[in-house]
Amino acid sequence: EDKVVQSPLSLVVHEGDTVTLNCSYEVTNFRSLLWYKQEKKAPTFLFMLTSSGIEKKSGRLSSILDKKELFSILNITATQTGDSAVYLCAVIHNTDKLIFGTGTRLQVFP
Amino acid sequence: DGGITQSPKYLFRKEGQNVTLSCEQNLNHDAMYWYRQDPGQGLRLIYYSQIVNDFQKGDIAEGYSVSREKKESFPLTVTSAQKNPTAFYLCASSKDSQSTDTQYFGPGTRLTVL
Repeated sequence: EDKVVQSPLSLVVHEGDTVTLNCSYEVTNFRSLLWYKQEKKAPTFLFMLTSSGIEKKSGRLSSILDKKELFSILNITATQTGDSAVYLCAVIHNTDKLIFGTGTRLQVFP
Repeated sequence: DGGITQSPKYLFRKEGQNVTLSCEQNLNHDAMYWYRQDPGQGLRLIYYSQIVNDFQKGDIAEGYSVSREKKESFPLTVTSAQKNPTAFYLCASSKDSQSTDTQYFGPGTRLTVL
């Protein structure tokens, strides 16, 4: 059965800390992995990763994919309270549908 | 402005009633999707449509119905057959479903069954 597993489920840190969120997957015919940030409403797109070993960066956020070990990480450096959200990982597989993980809830306190 | 709109933002219904959630996009995207989100669970796919007048069941289609009469519209009906309809419903679209295009989400509709 195809699945996407995120860890940890929940994370509480102080401003300025660096966090690493994990996403592992087992899917048929993997195509791409996506990271989304979800605050109170709909998820907003962060990154799409298709190739292994190529880091994508956007400000304090970065992400990398390991297709051999079947996982991705999302790093956030110098966290701010505005980073508090649920971070969702999703994988596109051969049927072009997204399979989502349960998300990691990040809380950043001042 | 281009984007995806969902209405209403909040919806309350009594048990036994059908209710329809609206999803409209002006991005000229071919593919549209409906997801359900419950606490502690990832998004689960209800229905998706790759092209006008065609749609397929997702992982949890029972108790739901959709239509795709126009490219920009993909309404979802939650029928009385859906046993646990209270949830947050998200609509998404992508340029097409034959590539690895990103899905973009609407703001969501929170449905509560009283």
